[in-house]
Amino acid sequence: RKEVEQDPGPFNVPEGATVAFNCTYSNSASQSFFWYRQDCRKEPKLLMSVYSSGNEDGRFTAQLNRASQYISLLIRDSKLSDSATYLCVAAPVMRNEKLTFGTGTRLTIIP
Amino acid sequence: DAGITQSPRHKVTETGTPVTLRCHQTENHRYMYWYRQDPGHGLRLIHYSYGVKDTDKGEVSDGYSVSRSKTEDFLLTLESATSSQTSVYFCAIRDGSYEQYFGPGTRLTVT
Repeated sequence: RKEVEQDPGPFNVPEGATVAFNCTYSNSASQSFFWYRQDCRKEPKLLMSVYSSGNEDGRFTAQLNRASQYISLLIRDSKLSDSATYLCVAAPVMRNEKLTFGTGTRLTIIP
Repeated sequence: DAGITQSPRHKVTETGTPVTLRCHQTENHRYMYWYRQDPGHGLRLIHYSYGVKDTDKGEVSDGYSVSRSKTEDFLLTLESATSSQTSVYFCAIRDGSYEQYFGPGTRLTVT
């Protein structure tokens, strides 16, 4: 079992819709979590950090459920520019030397 | 964007040749990381550095070595490249917070 698991998708969603995807992690010692977005043939870019129960930034909301060991990312009013691969990342005990990356969820927003 | 550059951006080399990839930062951050990204795998840590001349191994360090003689530069060397080292290599940096920021990547092909 992978330490961080994501549904690879692809998720094809009409513009303006709300989309949510989950990420599960197996290491209960994980303390901090991140969502990165990665465009095709580009580097990952930090989207959100999650240190407590959740975080919200504009149209994006991340929620952490420690009991069930999953993190979700919700995108409201999706835009064409949201098309990307979203990477879920877990880090144990606030030490970033051992980040564990999921393989990513591919999202395509359809006009 | 974080001040991180990588060179070269693309390289094709033959099996058995040595290859050095360079990561350069202008942020004066203490922590630097080398990852590789392959289809079906999340980003995997090769080596990281927590200061000048201070480095440690990641999960896929076999066949790679690193050096950090200056704060701004972190070099990754493939002593004798193999086809299994064909990949996209990303450098990342971190300051005192917990977020990592990635460079633009190097696409390496070993023929």
